[in-house]
Formats: sequence, structure tokens, C-alpha cells
Amino acid sequence: QQQVKQSPQSLIVQKGGISIINCAYENTAFDYFPWYQQFPGKGPALLIAIRPDVSEKKEGRFTISFNKSAKQFSLHIMDSQPGDSATYFCAASKETSGSRLTFGEGTQLTVNP
Amino acid sequence: EPEVTQTPSHQVTQMGQEVILRCVPISNHLYFYWYRQILGQKVEFLVSFYNNEISEKSEIFDDQFSVERPDGSNFTLKIRSTKLEDSAMYFCASSQGFEETQYFGPGTRLLVL
Repeated sequence: QQQVKQSPQSLIVQKGGISIINCAYENTAFDYFPWYQQFPGKGPALLIAIRPDVSEKKEGRFTISFNKSAKQFSLHIMDSQPGDSATYFCAASKETSGSRLTFGEGTQLTVNP
Repeated sequence: EPEVTQTPSHQVTQMGQEVILRCVPISNHLYFYWYRQILGQKVEFLVSFYNNEISEKSEIFDDQFSVERPDGSNFTLKIRSTKLEDSAMYFCASSQGFEETQYFGPGTRLLVL
């Protein structure tokens, strides 16, 4: 029940295309859903995050869509660029767990020029 | 921009040896975390630390693990008797407040032979 499932495992997109990564969770107590971006040799860095009181959050080219009833959330990267090539992790946490982040399996995104 | 730093970047040790992984969190942050990532797998929570005590620990964080904030700047993870399966990338993270953004360090790659 603590798991967060992420798909796809890998994704190849052409420059200018839309990248879509999906996550699903079971535990309805989760109340914070961040996405992290990780480049090789670096630690994960927060990209964008959402709480369940809104269905969508947009920051620049990055949008999170959140479906509370389906217990799913997704990351959309518009106008994908080669510099977006990285591993993306969704995560979730709940207020009662001391901010412990539960991560998805990760998606390796490659944006071809 | 302030960042979390970790030392060493790589550590090789023999099975059964003790290792100490060091982290310097961002200076005004109050919450500290350790996560690990076994090669090719998801990032997993180990422990969170606040006000000089453990807030929460995962089932991975058994008696072989301990954390300490020995002074005002460092945060350490000790593994008393390493096992082969402890080989992983260990990430330290810190946050300013409860359920606020966690900033990750670059990681320490631990290899147990």
C-alpha cells in the first residue's frame, strides 16, 4: 500500500514533442506528490510538486495532472528538449510520515535532437 | 545557491567493515534524511532526523545503521558491519521544514566487496 508505480520505464521523444510519464498510488493518505529530475552522477532535484486540492499545476514547460479519484498523477513535458534527457521520478509522502518520500521506479527520458 | 554536499563521492570497503558516510545539509535546514538507490532500482527511504533524534525509519534501517549529527553542520550515516547488499548510492537530503522541498546531495557510491 506504500508503493508508487511509475511507467514507462523508458521513453524516447523527438525534440519539440510531448513527454508523458504516469504514476499511480494506492495509499489515499498521501497528500504531497513531487516529481524529481536526476542527471547522471547527480542527486534527484525537485522539478515540480502538487497537492491533492488541485487537479493541475503548470510551471513553464512542465505540468502535473492529478486525478484523485483514480489515484493517478502524471508529468507532461511540453516542447521537449535534448537537455531534458534525464531520469524522472515521481514520489509521494503523507503528513503523518515525517515527510518520508516514497519514490516510483523512475523513467529514463531521451529526447532526440 | 546553497546545496547539500556529501563525502566521499565513492567508497569501497570489505564486507564486515564499518563505514561512515558524511553529509553537510543546507545551513538553515532542520530536517535531514538518508535515502539509498541500489543500481537500477528506485530510490528508497532509510531514515529521517529532526531535533537530534530519528523521526522515522524504514524497515531497511536495522540495527546495523545509525545516524548522528555530531556538530552543527555534519550529518552522518554509519553502517557498522557492511554486507554485500549494502552496495548502493546513498543520498543525503535536507529540508527547511516539515513537508517542505527536500534537497538532495550528489550521493556517495558505496561498493562492498
